[in-house]
Amino acid sequence: DGGITQSPKYLFRKEGQNVTLSCEQNLNHDAMYWYRQDPGQGLRLIYYSQIVNDFQKGDIAEGYSVSREKKESFPLTVTSAQKNPTAFYLCASSISLYSGANVLTFGAGSRLTVL
Amino acid sequence: AQSVAQPEDQVNVAEGNPLTVKCTYSVSGNPYLFWYVQYPNRGLQFLLKYITGDNLVKGSYGFEAEFNKSQTSFHLKKPSALVSDSALYFCAVRDAMNYGGSQGNLIFGKGTKLSVKP
Repeated sequence: DGGITQSPKYLFRKEGQNVTLSCEQNLNHDAMYWYRQDPGQGLRLIYYSQIVNDFQKGDIAEGYSVSREKKESFPLTVTSAQKNPTAFYLCASSISLYSGANVLTFGAGSRLTVL
Repeated sequence: AQSVAQPEDQVNVAEGNPLTVKCTYSVSGNPYLFWYVQYPNRGLQFLLKYITGDNLVKGSYGFEAEFNKSQTSFHLKKPSALVSDSALYFCAVRDAMNYGGSQGNLIFGKGTKLSVKP
């Protein structure tokens, strides 16, 4: 089955530690996205990417970093500079960034808790 | 700037009754509108979208939505609710004239929790 795989599903982090969330897709989609979800706030865009080795900041990129070394993979690192990292993180993909009618396909999410 | 509003944090419906989840939007050009559903601790799943054409759009699981340009609304509806419809519903909008770059990204509402009681 084609889809998006996020890991780990649950992650606990001590303050001051960096953590990396994995996102892999086998849909052959060009565009990939990372969203953060907090209760009552909807989804906020962290980073997005259209092609390998290129990515752009979204609305809340501070304290996060990404890479796109392969088309299938778009890992997100939550750095110690992120002041309030406890949240549910969602990875998504679409055929292309440049077609507005495209539907996003989402992974199952990763829940990060800072202890 | 584009925006989307879901005025109700929660909607409660009895099983078998019709349901409506409200969404209003603001874009400078024509909108592309989407509804997604999220079950607990899961990612979002696509329900339906409006791009152009017929104002009444039919989607998955018996859901439909009506695009109303004059009221800038895109309310989600279902004639007969099921307990299994209980979930978090998100409306999203993209300006059809902007694509690529940050202005072309989807803007999501804050979500409406739908609770269907037996």
